[in-house]
Amino acid sequence: DARVTQTPRHKVTEMGQEVTMRCQPILGHNTVFWYRQTMMQGLELLAYFRNRAPLDDSGMPKDRFSAEMPDATLATLKIQPSEPRDSAVYFCASGLEGGNTEAFFGQGTRLTVV
Amino acid sequence: AQSVTQPDIHITVSEGASLELRCNYSYGATPYLFWYVQSPGQGLQLLLKYFSGDTLVQGIKGFEAEFKRSQSSFNLRKPSVHWSDAAEYFCAVGVKGTDKLIFGTGTRLQVFP
Repeated sequence: DARVTQTPRHKVTEMGQEVTMRCQPILGHNTVFWYRQTMMQGLELLAYFRNRAPLDDSGMPKDRFSAEMPDATLATLKIQPSEPRDSAVYFCASGLEGGNTEAFFGQGTRLTVV
Repeated sequence: AQSVTQPDIHITVSEGASLELRCNYSYGATPYLFWYVQSPGQGLQLLLKYFSGDTLVQGIKGFEAEFKRSQSSFNLRKPSVHWSDAAEYFCAVGVKGTDKLIFGTGTRLQVFP
């Protein structure tokens, strides 16, 4: 059963600490997305990759957030330094290129910054 | 700019009753439209999608949606709701030429026995 795997599922950290979230996309998928979900803002696209190259990261605060795909089986989202306002659920999704294709979502990483 | 509006934040229905969740979009051309469902603590799962052709699309779990260009709407319907349908539902529009999805703010569905 192919699925997007995200780790960790939950993370509590202190303000100022570095946080790294990982995502394993579905094998064969060549697009990867990072979304952030909060009560106030809903689902926001932070960044997305096609064939491991970043295509759009305009939704991501550049000063503290970074997203990479070291290889086709791993995507990372890093926050350094973390702040309380970063508390949210972060979702990774993968799919095949083409705006009419389904994005498959992971279960998310719930981040709490205290 | 593309946008999606889900006017109803929260809807409550009785089990067995019919359901309609509203979605309006703003897009310059024929859009790609999606409905996703999110159960508590879970990621989003695709219910159905519309790209072209028949404006009434069938999805999983007995859901359907109708694309109405004149109303810029893509409402989700189910004739008889089950308690397990309680979840949050998101409408989304795909931005052509990219792989991006723009989501609405979601509608939380509560089902009473």
